Amino acid sequence: SAVISQKPSRDICQRGTSLTIQCQVDSQVTMMFWYRQQPGQSLTLIATANQGSEATYESGFVIDKFPISRPNLTFSTLTVSNMSPEDSSIYLCSVDRLAGGPPYEQYFGPGTRLTVT
Amino acid sequence: RKEVEQDPGPFNVPEGATVAFNCTYSNSASQSFFWYRQDCRKEPKLLMSVYSSGNEDGRFTAQLNRASQYISLLIRDSKLSDSATYLCVVNNRDDKIIFGKGTRLHILP
Repeated sequence: SAVISQKPSRDICQRGTSLTIQCQVDSQVTMMFWYRQQPGQSLTLIATANQGSEATYESGFVIDKFPISRPNLTFSTLTVSNMSPEDSSIYLCSVDRLAGGPPYEQYFGPGTRLTVT
Repeated sequence: RKEVEQDPGPFNVPEGATVAFNCTYSNSASQSFFWYRQDCRKEPKLLMSVYSSGNEDGRFTAQLNRASQYISLLIRDSKLSDSATYLCVVNNRDDKIIFGKGTRLHILP
């Protein structure tokens, strides 16, 4: 399976600031996904990022709050803008269809643990 | 009915025992089913896909019951290292995958 890395692994930020999370994959993938996992909750999909097009956001998530970049087939960033304590969560990137495999079988980065004070 | 529902547990099971838990889903048209494992403070990792005919991987057996709309995971001869949260994943009507909240399993020495 691919190696997926995220930076930073954790951060503590003040409300009102923004944080950009980077996701790097060691192989080219068409689709990359950004999830949020709040304490005690399951994963919620924020958006799907395809190279060369705008990200597709899920209900409840907007581009102004969570801008995403996808400059190439191995890299993506998610920015959490104008943060509030409610944004404290783990943010995970994932990919699917590795090595021509089936869709839906997703592989996750190690996550970024964000605390907003 | 929630799209994907799991008993949150925790299931406290002695080492060596067999444990099983289910996950129900609401979309009768779902075609893709998975079990993921998530260790504390780690990312989810794919444990196994669930096929219509059921499938087995070592001590783990997954089954699908379409009539009752649930999938199950059976772990035989449980090990301490099996302690984790097990996430049920199903695709929904919009062809997106939905994660359940997970079932916590504690294997007791």
